[in-house]
Amino acid sequence: DAGVTQSPTHLIKTRGQQVTLRCSPKSGHDTVSWYQQALGQGPQFIFQYYEEEERQRGNFPDRFSGHQFPNYSSELNVNALLLGDSALYLCASSLQGANNQPQHFGDGTRLSIL
Amino acid sequence: AQSVAQPEDQVNVAEGNPLTVKCTYSVSGNPYLFWYVQYPNRGLQFLLKYITGDNLVKGSYGFEAEFNKSQTSFHLKKPSALVSDSALYFCAVRDRTTDKLIFGTGTRLQVFP
Repeated sequence: DAGVTQSPTHLIKTRGQQVTLRCSPKSGHDTVSWYQQALGQGPQFIFQYYEEEERQRGNFPDRFSGHQFPNYSSELNVNALLLGDSALYLCASSLQGANNQPQHFGDGTRLSIL
Repeated sequence: AQSVAQPEDQVNVAEGNPLTVKCTYSVSGNPYLFWYVQYPNRGLQFLLKYITGDNLVKGSYGFEAEFNKSQTSFHLKKPSALVSDSALYFCAVRDRTTDKLIFGTGTRLQVFP
């Protein structure tokens, strides 16, 4: 039973560029949440996708956008990259409505902005 | 506003001794509480959760946590620490009406041989 998979594992970009990160949820899960974990901090919620729509959003600018596909996989897009966007980006999957169950996390994509 | 506090940046303990990693929370209503562990260059692994019922919750790898509603705390504990327990530990709360997790800043646990 495959868990949450994310790609790529590492990425280096320069300021002003755009990046796309990908996530495949755990088998049986239909909801994907994205988190940003800056160095030395706890993960911060970016947004959540369910039924191919953004359902909730954290305090992140519109430069951060996403998409969910019919197979429940998801993408996180970040435009006009800033140095402060350097972080570990984590994808978590869950089953909608099962809020008493834990979210399952992937190993993340480490994004470095030069 | 909902929040989670982990007052200790680092906890040091000798192998074989009991360990405690502290967590307090602020949330309206009754929360869902979680502990996750993060090893270097890895994502978060679920350890245990409190939803309702018994205040002492048992989880993976011998860890347990005690929910205290009056003190709004959810401290992580283990009777006998292992060197392999050394990692970064995060406490999180999830509002019962949403699926968003709010994390603390994390506590680094160092277990010395």
